[in-house]
Amino acid sequence: DAGVTQSPTHLIKTRGQQVTLRCSPKSGHDTVSWYQQALGQGPQFIFQYYEEEERQRGNFPDRFSGHQFPNYSSELNVNALLLGDSALYLCASSGQGQPNTEAFFGQGTRLTVV
Amino acid sequence: TQLLEQSPQFLSIQEGENLTVYCNSSSVFSSLQWYRQEPGEGPVLLVTVVTGGEVKKLKRLTFQFGDARKDSSLHITAAQPGDTGLYLCAARNAGNMLTFGGGTRLMVKP
Repeated sequence: DAGVTQSPTHLIKTRGQQVTLRCSPKSGHDTVSWYQQALGQGPQFIFQYYEEEERQRGNFPDRFSGHQFPNYSSELNVNALLLGDSALYLCASSGQGQPNTEAFFGQGTRLTVV
Repeated sequence: TQLLEQSPQFLSIQEGENLTVYCNSSSVFSSLQWYRQEPGEGPVLLVTVVTGGEVKKLKRLTFQFGDARKDSSLHITAAQPGDTGLYLCAARNAGNMLTFGGGTRLMVKP
């Protein structure tokens, strides 16, 4: 049973460019959440997708957008990249069938903006 | 906004020593979770504490939830090099959104 998979694992982009990160949830999970983890800090919630809609959003600008596909996989898009967007981006999936189900994290995508 | 403060931020100890890390807030939580994250990996859930005063044990790890459900602690007995990692506490809202503390980076030297 594959866990949460993210791609790519590492990415280098130039300031001002756009980036798309991808996440496939754990089998049987239908909810995907994205987190940003700056170096030396705890993860910060970006947003959550369920039934192809954004359900919750953290304190991130509109440059951060996402999408969920019918197969529950998800993308995180960041426009007009800033140096401060350099971080580990984590995807977590969970099941919606029961409240407070455990979230499983992928290994993350390390984004470096130069 | 719920703010979780973890202490210490960094901890370097010798194999066999005991340690305690703390997670504190001024807010009351319905539950708190503890995760461990190794370099290059995502966080992995260790435990969820729900009831005030609750104590849970996971081998050499002991987790406690404060009576007022505002704080939690993680105690490791006889630490091993394999315990090295970033320990994160997190509060979960009804929509399964997690708010993390800043983490405690633990290094256990052989």
